Amino acid sequence: GAGVSQSPSNKVTEKGKDVELRCDPISGHTALYWYRQRLGQGLEFLIYFQGNSAPDKSGLPSDRFSAERTGESVSTLTIQRTQQEDSAVYLCASNRGSYNSPLHFGNGTRLTVT
Amino acid sequence: DQQVKQNSPSLSVQEGRISILNCDYTNSMFDYFLWYKKYPAEGPTFLISISSIKDKNEDGRFTVFLNKSAKHLSLHIVPSQPGDSAVYFCAAIGDSWGKLQFGAGTQVVVTP
Repeated sequence: GAGVSQSPSNKVTEKGKDVELRCDPISGHTALYWYRQRLGQGLEFLIYFQGNSAPDKSGLPSDRFSAERTGESVSTLTIQRTQQEDSAVYLCASNRGSYNSPLHFGNGTRLTVT
Repeated sequence: DQQVKQNSPSLSVQEGRISILNCDYTNSMFDYFLWYKKYPAEGPTFLISISSIKDKNEDGRFTVFLNKSAKHLSLHIVPSQPGDSAVYFCAAIGDSWGKLQFGAGTQVVVTP
């Protein structure tokens, strides 16, 4: 498939555990984004990677959240000591990095913290 | 601080009729606007966009209108089809390149 791939598609974890979410962007896309969607709400920006530039982390809700990206490929979003309010669908998207290049989203990871 | 607002959480329309989805924004630095469509258990897919230098952009059954003075945009779907039933998100960008701001979405249901 040529689309953005995310894994796992679903994750149930106990409060206090760490989780790692993975995103494989479209090949050749230099920019990668993480958003999350809580139940009944819109898409909330988390973090943005563009090439070798320092990532824009301004949307990360707390220091329990971190993300890494290796070059222009895979990215992982890590949530430490998960809380119930972290329950959401975490969406990854990529694009060619130009201003008006639409984002291509993956199908998301549904995270449930019990 | 919600900079992009979609005040109608849901819209029901009859097949063949026009669907009109509205979106308001507060940040005057936004200069590019997009609409995304989302089916359950899938990621949003890009539908149509408009630059602030235009007031209308049309693509098949979909037309987006932009009123900059009112900080308002709308999406028209004509004619509406059952396959258009989805959640539609309005998004805007401008003050911080790359950081698309999304509205809360509008659930559209097209009835036969």
